[in-house]
Amino acid sequence: SAVISQKPSRDICQRGTSLTIQCQVDSQVTMMFWYRQQPGQSLTLIATANQGSEATYESGFVIDKFPISRPNLTFSTLTVSNMSPEDSSIYLCSVEFWESSYNEQFFGPGTRLTVL
Amino acid sequence: GENVEQHPSTLSVQEGDSAVIKCTYSDSASNYFPWYKQELGKRPQLIIDIRSNVGEKKDQRIAVTLNKTAKHFSLHITETQPEDSAVYFCAASLTSGTSYGKLTFGQGTILTVHP
Repeated sequence: SAVISQKPSRDICQRGTSLTIQCQVDSQVTMMFWYRQQPGQSLTLIATANQGSEATYESGFVIDKFPISRPNLTFSTLTVSNMSPEDSSIYLCSVEFWESSYNEQFFGPGTRLTVL
Repeated sequence: GENVEQHPSTLSVQEGDSAVIKCTYSDSASNYFPWYKQELGKRPQLIIDIRSNVGEKKDQRIAVTLNKTAKHFSLHITETQPEDSAVYFCAASLTSGTSYGKLTFGQGTILTVHP
């Protein structure tokens, strides 16, 4: 079965810095999404990563804070910019595979971010 | 936008009992309803899903039912085992249009199965 990986798996960062999270899939996907899961909470969609064009952000999330790239069908990055302790969360990518006709989404292992 | 409510927030059962988790959604256009299981420190795993053209779907000990009129759907786990202990999330999305694939999640249910 296809593998979804994320780097880094975890990080501890200082306030005011930025962190770029990578999501890599070993087969082609149609859709890629980025979610945030705050400690003990549910998942919230940040944005849809569109290949070759600007990401589509959900209400409450902006490009300056969470710039996203998706240069090809199997890779995307999410940057958390100018971090504050409130950004401490797990960030997860999810994908819908090209061969799937059933809309199923699968998640990467997540990146656990702690901001001091 | 879509809003998904999930109940109960915690559920404790004895091994072998059944467990039922219920969700309601607000957008009548939503037509895809997956359920995810998340064990501590792990990624959410898709365990079952249902589309709006189906009223019920079953996979071994897990079943999901959908009532489109009432806009609610439920997860049923029979013969629960300790390894079923996890957080379960329901979600809703559209399979067409500009909101394609955008999952809106419920708040989650912590299921504990006691041996």
